[in-house]
Amino acid sequence: DTGVSQNPRHKITKRGQNVTFRCDPISEHNRLYWYRQTLGQGPEFLTYFQNEAQLEKSRLLSDRFSAERPKGSFSTLEIQRTEQGDSAMYLCASSLVLSGPLNEQFFGPGTRLTVL
Amino acid sequence: ILNVEQSPQSLHVQEGDSTNFTCSFPSSNFYALHWYRWETAKSPEALFVMTLNGDEKKKGRISATLNTKEGYSYLYIKGSQPEDSATYLCALFTGGGNKLTFGTGTQLKVEL
Repeated sequence: DTGVSQNPRHKITKRGQNVTFRCDPISEHNRLYWYRQTLGQGPEFLTYFQNEAQLEKSRLLSDRFSAERPKGSFSTLEIQRTEQGDSAMYLCASSLVLSGPLNEQFFGPGTRLTVL
Repeated sequence: ILNVEQSPQSLHVQEGDSTNFTCSFPSSNFYALHWYRWETAKSPEALFVMTLNGDEKKKGRISATLNTKEGYSYLYIKGSQPEDSATYLCALFTGGGNKLTFGTGTQLKVEL
C-alpha cells in the first residue's frame, strides 16, 4: 500500500495520560501535515514539516503537544497530560513541494482519540 | 482567520436524485480550492483541485465549478448512488503557510 498510513487507528486513554501517534507518509513526499477534526467541525491545521524541519505551528498546538519528524520520513505527534477536550480525529497528510500552488495533500485514515 | 463555509450541513436524498452543495470562501489571496470526499473509516479522498475562475472539473457523475471573484464553488452529483454517501469537504489554499483551511463539510446520505 503506497498511501499515507497512521497508527493506531483508535486510542482510548484516561485523562492525564500521555499518548503518541505515528504517521507514515507517501515515501517520496517531503511535506507532512497534522490536522485535527473535532465533532461538527472540518479538519483544522496543527503543524507541518518540510523534510525534518517543523516550519509552522498553529496556535491550536498547546505546549502539551509536540510533533517530530526526525529523519524526514515518518512523524510522531505526542500529547502530554491529555484532557477531555483533546478527544478528536487526528489526521496526517503528505505532499510534494513540487506540487506548487496546487498543494495537493494526500490524507491518512486518521487516529481517533477518546479521552475519558 | 479565514472563514470557509459549506452548505447544507447535511443532506438526505433518494437513489437517482441529483444534488449539489456550496462552498463559500473569501476571494482575496486565492490560490486553489480543493474538494475531498471522506467516507466513514477511510482516508479523505481528493476529488478536485481548482485554481482558475470559471474552472469546471468532472469525474464520473461528480462535477464542480469555481467562481473566484465572488468566492464560491459548487459540487454536483448526478444520479446519486448509495456509495456516494460520505462527507464532502472543501478546503482553501491561500499560499500562506502551505496549510489547507477546511469548511465544516456536507454530510450526504443516499437512500435506496
